[in-house]
Amino acid sequence: QEQLVESGGGVVQPGTSLRLSCAASGFTFGAYAMHWVRQAPGKGLEWVAVILYDKSDKKYADSVKGRFTISRDNSENTLYLQMNSLRGEDTAVYYCARTRAAYCDTTTCREFVYWGQGTLVTVSS
Amino acid sequence: DIQMTQSPSSLSASVGDRVTITCRASQGITNYLAWFQQKPGKAPKSLIYAASSLHSGVPSRFSGSGSGTDFTLTISSLQPEDFATYYCQQYNSYPLTFGGGTEVEIK
Repeated sequence: QEQLVESGGGVVQPGTSLRLSCAASGFTFGAYAMHWVRQAPGKGLEWVAVILYDKSDKKYADSVKGRFTISRDNSENTLYLQMNSLRGEDTAVYYCARTRAAYCDTTTCREFVYWGQGTLVTVSS
Repeated sequence: DIQMTQSPSSLSASVGDRVTITCRASQGITNYLAWFQQKPGKAPKSLIYAASSLHSGVPSRFSGSGSGTDFTLTISSLQPEDFATYYCQQYNSYPLTFGGGTEVEIK
């Protein structure tokens, strides 16, 4: 049974940092690209970042580029999102999501199938 | 960036109704279109990829169609567990973008 469990959320002040984790189980983590997607309270979904299964490529939304860093530890089956210089508009539930295909290609690396339950990040003074 | 526009933003329907939700892309995305279902306080659930392919375990009353810029999600006979918000998403190119959502409410 594929499972993704996010952790690390909390209440932080603007300008500070936070690192989110996504622990994977039930599948071969190192074979799948992984994404972060966020949802501000009462709002829609916003894609944040992606990392390929072999770490060979990473991409970011413009809204977080230069402030957030996606990474992964395939030996620990864990995905990370390092968030620096946090702003109020970063307040959201952050979800990790796994792609549908193992060793995905250019297109299939963009297809989500499994989502974690999310972790809430609140940026407020 | 590719903009995704869903309509309607909300609808009221009864159990057993046929429901159709529309999603339009600001430029052609071939069939790189996904649909998600989200219930209050829960994570999204993936329903459809490649515009019309159902993920494993998704009931056959859900179907998707379209290509290019215009897409639809159809629920053939609405069930109580289908009351939720539905999002489309394009994955033709980065940044991946979502529609604003369609809330399906009980009439």
